Order: sequence, then structure tokens, then C-alpha cells
Amino acid sequence: NAGVTQTPKFQVLKTGQSMTLQCAQDMNHNSMYWYRQDPGMGLRLIYYSASEGTTDKGEVPNGYNVSRLNKREFSLRLESAAPSQTSVYFCASGGTGYSPLHFGNGTRLTVT
Amino acid sequence: RKEVEQDPGPFNVPEGATVAFNCTYSNSASQSFFWYRQDCRKEPKLLMSVYSSGNEDGRFTAQLNRASQYISLLIRDSKLSDSATYLCVVFMSYGGSQGNLIFGKGTKLSVKP
Repeated sequence: NAGVTQTPKFQVLKTGQSMTLQCAQDMNHNSMYWYRQDPGMGLRLIYYSASEGTTDKGEVPNGYNVSRLNKREFSLRLESAAPSQTSVYFCASGGTGYSPLHFGNGTRLTVT
Repeated sequence: RKEVEQDPGPFNVPEGATVAFNCTYSNSASQSFFWYRQDCRKEPKLLMSVYSSGNEDGRFTAQLNRASQYISLLIRDSKLSDSATYLCVVFMSYGGSQGNLIFGKGTKLSVKP
């Protein structure tokens, strides 16, 4: 009964390094999402994927790329990390029509 | 007017109190509504879905008022463990099951002994 699984849970990067955040869901949802949440702030949508093979930009896509590898997996890549990308990143799935969103546990990223 | 607005709080209440939060939304075509709970530095977790006129789950009651475009969350007999941030989420359809999920910024609740 895993739901949405994110890895890693914590990561520290130096400015300019790259990394990929992994997300997988086992609920057979078509839609998947990546959000970031800065301290004391609300959730902001980075990218989403309405179905396998499609991705779209959200509110704050700059500095990120995504891949919808298959129906289960949706990864987020930081090509050249910047301190402004220090945040907590949440992956989610579901969220269409009457279906609520289900969130992963989050990845706490610090860029120094 | 923001798409989804919540009073940020904080609401500081004693144990056993009844507390209510409101959330207003701007798009009258909004289809579905949810309340989430988020503990500090944790992921949001679904508390309740609000589909029609409202629903109740134990100490929690959610109401929807489409005419006035708001939803509310009532918590009765508050517990210390209810301390969290409560997020209002509205699904606005632009065709079929596709649409946008809009998050409010959350209302912080602190229940004191």
C-alpha cells in the first residue's frame, strides 16, 4: 500500500551540481505533479503530467526539467542547482475531476 | 481577487473548543473541493472531500456554499493533535476531467492545553 514514493528524502547539493528526484505511484493515476514549498509559503506547481507522454509547465518551471517515464514514474531534474532552489519538493498523483491529490513524503533539498 | 483565499491565522484555541475556517474561491465553475491537513515540514494529507452540500467525519464537518462561493471546515472538541495547517484545494475544470487544482495558502491552527 505504498501510494506515492519519492526518493531521496534529503539531499544537499553545491551550486551548479545536478540531480534527479524520483517519484513513483502505484494507484494507476494518469496525472502526476511536482510542487515546491518554501518555508512558511504555500505549494507552488513546477510541472505536471496529465498522462503518460505529456508534460506541461506549472507556475515556477524555470531551472527544472521533467520526464514522464511511464504511467507510474515522473522524475524532476535540476540541471544546475542554485541556492534559490533550496526547498521541499513534493510529488503528487491523482487530482483530476473528483479525485483528490495524493502526496509523497517530500524531498528536502538544500543548495549551498 | 485571488483564486482561492484563506485566512492565514494563526487560530489559537484551547482544547475542547470549536473552530471554523472559511475558504473562498473565485471561479463559479469550480467542480470539486478538498480540505487537506499539513503538519510542519510534512506532506499534505487529505482530510475531507467536499462534493455537494457538505459532509461530516467524526469531529470534522465540511460545508459547501456554491451561491456564495465558499467552503468551510468546522472542528469540534479540538485536540492538541489537531494543531496543523489546513489547506483548502479547489478543482477548476476546463473540460472533462482535466482542469487546475488551486491551493489556498493555508490556515494555521494551534490548539493549546
